[in-house]
Amino acid sequence: GNSVTQMEGPVTLSEEAFLTINCTYTATGYPSLFWYVQYPGEGLQLLLKATKADDKGSNKGFEATYRKETTSFHLEKGSVQVSDSAVYFCALLRANNLFFGTGTRLTVIP
Amino acid sequence: EAGVVQSPRYKIIEKKQPVAFWCNPISGHNTLYWYLQNLGQGPELLIRYENEEAVDDSQLPKDRFSAERLKGVDSTLKIQPAELGDSAVYLCASSLQGDEQYFGPGTRLTVT
Repeated sequence: GNSVTQMEGPVTLSEEAFLTINCTYTATGYPSLFWYVQYPGEGLQLLLKATKADDKGSNKGFEATYRKETTSFHLEKGSVQVSDSAVYFCALLRANNLFFGTGTRLTVIP
Repeated sequence: EAGVVQSPRYKIIEKKQPVAFWCNPISGHNTLYWYLQNLGQGPELLIRYENEEAVDDSQLPKDRFSAERLKGVDSTLKIQPAELGDSAVYLCASSLQGDEQYFGPGTRLTVT
């Protein structure tokens, strides 16, 4: 089946710290992979995506690389800001359907 | 460009009452999705429409849930009767031919 396993939160970091949120997946074939972000009181927003092995998605200082050999798509950012506080969801796309992880809540403190 | 619009944003009802949620997708997007998001969980697909056809409703509890997408644009999701366990956020999303999905703000349902 298709599933996504995310690093459990919550994660609390100081401003300018390095962020890693782990994500691994199980899927038939080669899915597209996504990171979505949900800010407080808002809907999910696409943060970045990768459609094939070794692709790197990037946006707003966040990066994730599609690793087929480890079935992973870890999210990283070199220096987080208070405004990055949100819930982050890893997801895979198969047969036009998205399968989400459980989400990781990030809180960045000044 | 307007995003996906959902209404209402919040709804509180008593159990056994009916409730309906409305979604207006991004103009031109032929694919529309309804998701259920329980507290502390990721969204789970309920139903996917391509134009006016429901192409995947395998996760929709059809004894109490129904959905329609008349004319292939707006969509309505209904629950009748609601149960306590239906308390959750109901998300609508749309995409252009199954590509990137754009989500609305969701409707938070509380069943008392």
